[in-house]
Amino acid sequence: ELKVEQNPLFLSMQEGKNYTIYCNYSTTSDRLYWYRQDPGKSLESLFVLLSNGAVKQEGRLMASLDTKARLSTLHITAAVHDLSATYFCAVGRPAGGTSYGKLTFGQGTILTVHP
Amino acid sequence: SQTIHQWPATLVQPVGSPLSLECTVEGTSNPNLYWYRQAAGRGLQLLFYSVGIGQISSEVPQNLSASRPQDRQFILSSKKLLLSDSGFYLCAWRADPGTGVHEQYFGPGTRLTVT
Repeated sequence: ELKVEQNPLFLSMQEGKNYTIYCNYSTTSDRLYWYRQDPGKSLESLFVLLSNGAVKQEGRLMASLDTKARLSTLHITAAVHDLSATYFCAVGRPAGGTSYGKLTFGQGTILTVHP
Repeated sequence: SQTIHQWPATLVQPVGSPLSLECTVEGTSNPNLYWYRQAAGRGLQLLFYSVGIGQISSEVPQNLSASRPQDRQFILSSKKLLLSDSGFYLCAWRADPGTGVHEQYFGPGTRLTVT
């Protein structure tokens, strides 16, 4: 059974600081997703990482994937208040065959950025 | 461009009443479709997925059922709601695996409260 664990589950940051959210998963996968969720809202797709060593950046967020370590990181640079949200990683297996693109989610990391 | 709709946005239903939630996707053909539930707290759980009309797979045994009467329509139903069915229900879609597009996008969600 695929398990996905995020840490930390709660993250309180000061504006301007850097931090990293970690996502570990238990079985082989070649697809790693990061999503953002604002309170009461749906999930917004941030990144899809498809291969070992993949790195993607958008603004102050950068995601990377190490398939050998079964680890993805979401790095936040110079945090601003607008980044306050819950961040989820999700692990998928290739669509087709018996996997059909199903995702298993981590528990989510609640990020709060303080002035 | 593709869009995904869900309705209703919010719903309050008594225990024992029936349920029907609808999800439609525009701007794509033969998508994979998914129903997730997010209970109070944070975790998302995959309930059902569908790779084509009339093709439904259930991930967990429960009080709910799903149907896909048309290519871009996905319905979540229950004959008799339980208190434990309360939650935030999210529909998601993924492009036909043959397209090579890997992102999975979520609808705006339906917040269900069973009283």
